[in-house]
Amino acid sequence: AQSVAQPEDQVNVAEGNPLTVKCTYSVSGNPYLFWYVQYPNRGLQFLLKYITGDNLVKGSYGFEAEFNKSQTSFHLKKPSALVSDSALYFCAVRDMNRDDKIIFGKGTRLHILP
Amino acid sequence: GAGVSQTPSNKVTEKGKYVELRCDPISGHTALYWYRQSLGQGPEFLIYFQGTGAADDSGLPNDRFFAVRPEGSVSTLKIQRTERGDSAVYLCASGSGGENTEAFFGQGTRLTVV
Repeated sequence: AQSVAQPEDQVNVAEGNPLTVKCTYSVSGNPYLFWYVQYPNRGLQFLLKYITGDNLVKGSYGFEAEFNKSQTSFHLKKPSALVSDSALYFCAVRDMNRDDKIIFGKGTRLHILP
Repeated sequence: GAGVSQTPSNKVTEKGKYVELRCDPISGHTALYWYRQSLGQGPEFLIYFQGTGAADDSGLPNDRFFAVRPEGSVSTLKIQRTERGDSAVYLCASGSGGENTEAFFGQGTRLTVV
């Protein structure tokens, strides 16, 4: 069965600094990987996905993520953080070979300090 | 509308009562997911439909929970004999499948069992 680990409950970054939110995954087949963001009292919003091809994928709001097959990781990154990036971020995985459900991590709360 | 619609947005019910939560997916989306989210936690998978059939219901916590999607569009999550531990935000998402594999979420239904 697939699973996702987000090892950090919270990440604090000063505004203007680069940010990284970590994610590792486990699937039996090839992965589809996703990042979602959740603002307070809002639904989950899709940020970006990895399906195949280039290991660096770009998404909404200047975010990007790097797929690393050998490390089974899909870390979320942004070169320069904004205070408005403060939110709850979820990594998710789907097993490409099984057309299966999407499984989410427990989330990482990102605080951008002004 | 263009997005996933969930009704009601809030539901308060007494312990032991029956509730139904409705999800209207994005038109044409064949995949539909139900998740449950507790405060500060990641979405917990409940059930996944492809078309009318439940492709995976392994996340349903017990036989008090049931979901249907009779015409391959609208879905209803049904909870019998509600318990206080069922209180959570119930999220619905839909997707179009294939390489467009990301799921798009509704705003959720906040269920409170008193």
